[in-house]
Amino acid sequence: DTAVSQTPKYLVTQMGNDKSIKCEQNLGHDTMYWYKQDSKKFLKIMFSYNNKELIINETVPNRFSPKSPDKAHLNLHINSLELGDSAVYFCASSRTVEKLFFGSGTQLSVL
Amino acid sequence: AQTVTQSQPEMSVQEAETVTLSCTYDTSENNYYLFWYKQPPSRQMILVIRQEAYKQQNATENRFSVNFQKAAKSFSLKISDSQLGDTAMYFCAFMRTLTQGGSEKLVFGKGTKLTVNP
Repeated sequence: DTAVSQTPKYLVTQMGNDKSIKCEQNLGHDTMYWYKQDSKKFLKIMFSYNNKELIINETVPNRFSPKSPDKAHLNLHINSLELGDSAVYFCASSRTVEKLFFGSGTQLSVL
Repeated sequence: AQTVTQSQPEMSVQEAETVTLSCTYDTSENNYYLFWYKQPPSRQMILVIRQEAYKQQNATENRFSVNFQKAAKSFSLKISDSQLGDTAMYFCAFMRTLTQGGSEKLVFGKGTKLTVNP
């Protein structure tokens, strides 16, 4: 069983569209995260949720909206997609802060 | 704000040899964690090794070991007996220690691309 699963793995879309990436963890963790890896492989946190509450919100455009319907899910919705949003988006979860479990990533390509 | 610097964008090593990847960081915190993550072409982020700042003893995991120099804010990764499967991007990362419940963020370096040659 996959511990942290993201869908879809690949997403190709046009500029201006709205898309969502889903993340689910079956580890019983309280905290979930979204990280973005840009074209130069640089990884940076976007959001973190603890028990469905938003804890970390880095300087991310308002077009990005995370939603946590329950502790096991953290989805990422992106409005009005731009070329610069093309990246790999990683979901992660943790029970204790020093041990994160990453999903396999969603490669988003905006054309 | 914390920063993590990896000064070697790319490195290569012959199979079975030893290679050391460099990492320095900047923080005013006294309690924190340091990590090395491996990202092979499959894209999966894999934790290689973790070091708690309060521990003086360097962490080791099989062929992987670190040289943690807290005063110098240096955290290098040594890979012994390199294998072809070690070919990957390696990221050094920093995380503050929480004093109460919540969450903290990993701050990553820009990565080092390691190629192990046969």
